[in-house]
Amino acid sequence: EPEVTQTPSHQVTQMGQEVILRCVPISNHLYFYWYRQILGQKVEFLVSFYNNEISEKSEIFDDQFSVERPDGSNFTLKIRSTKLEDSAMYFCASRAREGTGRAEAFFGQGTRLTVV
Amino acid sequence: SQQGEEDPQALSIQEGENATMNCSYKTSINNLQWYRQNSGRGLVHLILIRSNEREKHSGRLRVTLDTSKKSSSLLITASRAADTASYFCATDGWSNDMRFGAGTRLTVKP
Repeated sequence: EPEVTQTPSHQVTQMGQEVILRCVPISNHLYFYWYRQILGQKVEFLVSFYNNEISEKSEIFDDQFSVERPDGSNFTLKIRSTKLEDSAMYFCASRAREGTGRAEAFFGQGTRLTVV
Repeated sequence: SQQGEEDPQALSIQEGENATMNCSYKTSINNLQWYRQNSGRGLVHLILIRSNEREKHSGRLRVTLDTSKKSSSLLITASRAADTASYFCATDGWSNDMRFGAGTRLTVKP
């Protein structure tokens, strides 16, 4: 069964460093998302992406964050200068089009980012 | 805010009992989805219900949607210990922003 894959599964980085989280969505999907979840807390929407551009972004998704789909398969989230409070699990998701709407989302297993 | 809010925050039941979780939201939606998350893992899709649908079933799961009250419920019948997990509703607006509520932590005791 097709799945969304995320790498790495765990990343430890120094505060102030840049990190890139990688995702490979399911191949025929058109809608892509990044979420974060601080341990035990809610799943927070960061950004959605469609047709090679950002569709929506939350107030969390400030200038420190960026997303790219560089080669038609990977979907990356970059955090330019990490802060301690960026420590969280980051989830990528993708969805197919269904009729005129969007089908259910498939999530990767997440990247646990620890900023020290 | 468009995102859903689930209640209760936590629910503990015995195996074999039914579990009902509710989700309320504030703005117009395209569809509403329910997801399950085992501790520390990714989210798994359970059911999607569109704004023009009122009820949907999948195995032991039953989801209802009342757009006039802006609420949805997830019923798990004949619960099992393996159903222990967090359950989230996700509201899908007309733009491409699927947002999650805080979740209900379900514990099913054997």
